[in-house]
Amino acid sequence: AQKITQTQPGMFVQEKEAVTLDCTYDTSDQSYGLFWYKQPSSGEMIFLIYQGSYDEQNATEGRYSLNFQKARKSANLVISASQLGDSAMYFCAMRECLNQAGTALIFGKGTTLSVSS
Amino acid sequence: KAGVTQTPRYLIKTRGQQVTLSCSPISGHRSVSWYQQTPGQGLQFLFEYFSETQRNKGNFPGRFSGRQFSNSRSEMNVSTLELGDSALYLCASSQGLVGETQYFGPGTRLLVL
Repeated sequence: AQKITQTQPGMFVQEKEAVTLDCTYDTSDQSYGLFWYKQPSSGEMIFLIYQGSYDEQNATEGRYSLNFQKARKSANLVISASQLGDSAMYFCAMRECLNQAGTALIFGKGTTLSVSS
Repeated sequence: KAGVTQTPRYLIKTRGQQVTLSCSPISGHRSVSWYQQTPGQGLQFLFEYFSETQRNKGNFPGRFSGRQFSNSRSEMNVSTLELGDSALYLCASSQGLVGETQYFGPGTRLLVL
């Protein structure tokens, strides 16, 4: 069965510093996708970045980059130059193929990031 | 483009009652998925609807059901509410292609007393 593991319940960082949030995954599929979402205290899940299993380059979106190491089955999120507004829960997710069509996401337990000034 | 909207944002119900939650996807999106988020179980997939048909279903009892209308809006219904149904219910939409990004709404917080 597919599984996502986030081992850091909480991370603390100062403004302008970079931070890495860890994510490891387990799947027997050859084709898969990995996502990171941010969830502020308001509850809405905000899409940050996506990495496909066949993508040769690490994905980047502004201050977010994904450190994808396929052999290690890890997909760590790197946030450069942290801002106070980055304080939130961060979830790593994987596309689960339930059948030939459709998509369901399986999520890790999440990491709470706290950014201080 | 407007994002995913969910109504109501907050609900309080008592055990045994039923509840209906609504989700309007991003314009042009035909797939709507529902997730339940609780402190104990985390985020769990409930079901996905595409073109008015349930395409995928998670491991939840039959008390949880849903439907999708021709305009892609979706509703989910929980009958005979239990205390453990208290959760944040999140709806996500996508165009419906396998593996594409899902965009989430703000969620409905349900409290069952």
